[in-house]
Amino acid sequence: EDKVVQSPLSLVVHEGDTVTLNCSYEVTNFRSLLWYKQEKKAPTFLFMLTSSGIEKKSGRLSSILDKKELFSILNITATQTGDSAIYLCAVEGKNNAGNMLTFGGGTRLMVKP
Amino acid sequence: DTAVSQTPKYLVTQMGNDKSIKCEQNLGHDTMYWYKQDSKKFLKIMFSYNNKELIINETVPNRFSPKSPDKAHLNLHINSLELGDSAVYFCASSASQPGLASSYEQYFGPGTRLTVT
Repeated sequence: EDKVVQSPLSLVVHEGDTVTLNCSYEVTNFRSLLWYKQEKKAPTFLFMLTSSGIEKKSGRLSSILDKKELFSILNITATQTGDSAIYLCAVEGKNNAGNMLTFGGGTRLMVKP
Repeated sequence: DTAVSQTPKYLVTQMGNDKSIKCEQNLGHDTMYWYKQDSKKFLKIMFSYNNKELIINETVPNRFSPKSPDKAHLNLHINSLELGDSAVYFCASSASQPGLASSYEQYFGPGTRLTVT
């Protein structure tokens, strides 16, 4: 069965700190890994990663995938209070019926002023 | 001991049919959600229910209707299925009481892949 594990479960930092969130996975016929930010309502899409070693970057956020070691990290530099959220990692695998997403349990990030 | 479960996991049906997807959570949460994930991997919220009251409805066609027989269940009914309804539908739940640290943490079900032919 496909599995996605995120760590740490929760993290408290101060504004300006840099954080690294981890996501490891086991999935049948890996297709992609996705990061979401979840605040009060629906998770919002951050990145989709399909190739190892290629960093995706958006502002202060960046992410990279290691398909050999089966993990991804999400980095946030110069954190702000608005970065406080749950960060979800999800992995898409392909089985006989098609593609399915498996979500990790999320990392809760709190950024204090 | 599955926290949020959905049935069926896969559903293949023809245009025009009516179908339902069931969702159950055993976490004692007050709020349940339905999401649609399209081919571009974007999760889009469809509905949420809090104590049997609809509190979110994100411009979803009225062919989709959530039914919540009790706090632990939120089923999704879809009438007159269309090709564009093909997607993966996720159910989720959260504890919604104000002040709780986990008020907005959502636990997702495994998803239901709907294919309309």
